[in-house]
Amino acid sequence: GQNIDQPTEMTATEGAIVQINCTYQTSGFNGLFWYQQHAGEAPTFLSYNVLDGLEEKGRFSSFLSRSKGYSYLLLKELQMKDSASYLCAVRDPNRDDKIIFGKGTRLHILP
Amino acid sequence: GAVVSQHPSRVICKSGTSVKIECRSLDFQATTMFWYRQFPKKSLMLMATSNEGSKATYEQGVEKDKFLINHASLTLSTLTVTSAHPEDSSFYICSARDRALAGELHNEQFFGPGTRLTVL
Repeated sequence: GQNIDQPTEMTATEGAIVQINCTYQTSGFNGLFWYQQHAGEAPTFLSYNVLDGLEEKGRFSSFLSRSKGYSYLLLKELQMKDSASYLCAVRDPNRDDKIIFGKGTRLHILP
Repeated sequence: GAVVSQHPSRVICKSGTSVKIECRSLDFQATTMFWYRQFPKKSLMLMATSNEGSKATYEQGVEKDKFLINHASLTLSTLTVTSAHPEDSSFYICSARDRALAGELHNEQFFGPGTRLTVL
């Protein structure tokens, strides 16, 4: 089976930087996603990594190490609106169109 | 970007009734639509995959006779929760893949805003 682990909750301060880690155990690897989900809303796409390394997109960056089964999402210059859940997800190695989600990390931003 | 709508956004119903949820891709044709369910503080769980013009594929443990899916066109899929019970209360989210992006490595799914179902 596939397993995704990420911290349940994190707290950070407005203006600071936070790193949300994700480890995964899958029978193969076919791509990793990060989504943001505000309470009661649908997830919105943040990033996609399939090769090792860092992908930067504005204030958000995502890193992948396939050999370690590890990814992180880095959020810089935190804003209050960044308070949300961040979902790490992997593409099912046996099925291109299926995404398997982790439980998400609830990020609380303090003023 | 691609937009997916869901209707209704919220529904409250009595136990035993059936509820239909619509999922539409507004500015693109969706080869495939997906239905997820999310319980509080839990991850999104895929319920079924819906392909236009064919039967839906259900994930293990999801009753196909209870959760009826109809994918009538490339822009519309419906999920009907039949004889709903309180344990079916959840957040139901659909997503869609853009037909024009089929085969691209990235091929992200576009999510609808979700439907909050409460069964009394």
